[in-house]
Amino acid sequence: DAKTTQPNSMESNEEEPVHLPCNHSTISGTDYIHWYRQLPSQGPEYVIHGLTSNVNNRMASLAIAEDRKSSTLILHRATLRDAAVYYCILSDRDNYGQNFVFGPGTRLSVLP
Amino acid sequence: NAGVMQNPRHLVRRRGQEARLRCSPMKGHSHVYWYRQLPEEGLKFMVYLQKENIIDESGMPKERFSAEFPKEGPSILRIQQVVRGDSAAYFCASSPWRDEQYFGPGTRLTVT
Repeated sequence: DAKTTQPNSMESNEEEPVHLPCNHSTISGTDYIHWYRQLPSQGPEYVIHGLTSNVNNRMASLAIAEDRKSSTLILHRATLRDAAVYYCILSDRDNYGQNFVFGPGTRLSVLP
Repeated sequence: NAGVMQNPRHLVRRRGQEARLRCSPMKGHSHVYWYRQLPEEGLKFMVYLQKENIIDESGMPKERFSAEFPKEGPSILRIQQVVRGDSAAYFCASSPWRDEQYFGPGTRLTVT
């Protein structure tokens, strides 16, 4: 399975933007980049995913490097509710029903 | 559209008993995944099922663990003769195709 690396933890102030990086230098051409987050005592929650182009949705934006070896999840205005562990995951779009490989993720703390 | 449902949310078993965890996927989803999360660790894939078929059980311990997804009814993860090391949060996810996985709230198993 392709591997991702993320910082163990990050801190942000409330209402400020947050940029969460992810390195995936061994990504293949058919790998999607997914971001999930897990709030305390809850199951993982889908945030966003992309293949080559930058993506925006109501929760966040995903900026993908031109060589696809890294990506950044952008929360435009952090709130206290965004405090969670964020996981960056790769999955092969040509691999039917592939399971997700979760790393340790980045623990985001949001300060009031 | 109700999300993925798991029950029970909390389960306490004594060593040697059986634990049975249930997962009802989202309506229209025929793919089910089970993951385990040990305390202070990331999620680890266990098994991937479609209706009446086990597609990938590479993450499942060889003994005491089994899973099924019958034609009718929820998916079941069964752990026989539980030991303290089985204490963990067990998450189920469902997807309609090779798309995003939607996670349930999890079952927290405590073995005493």
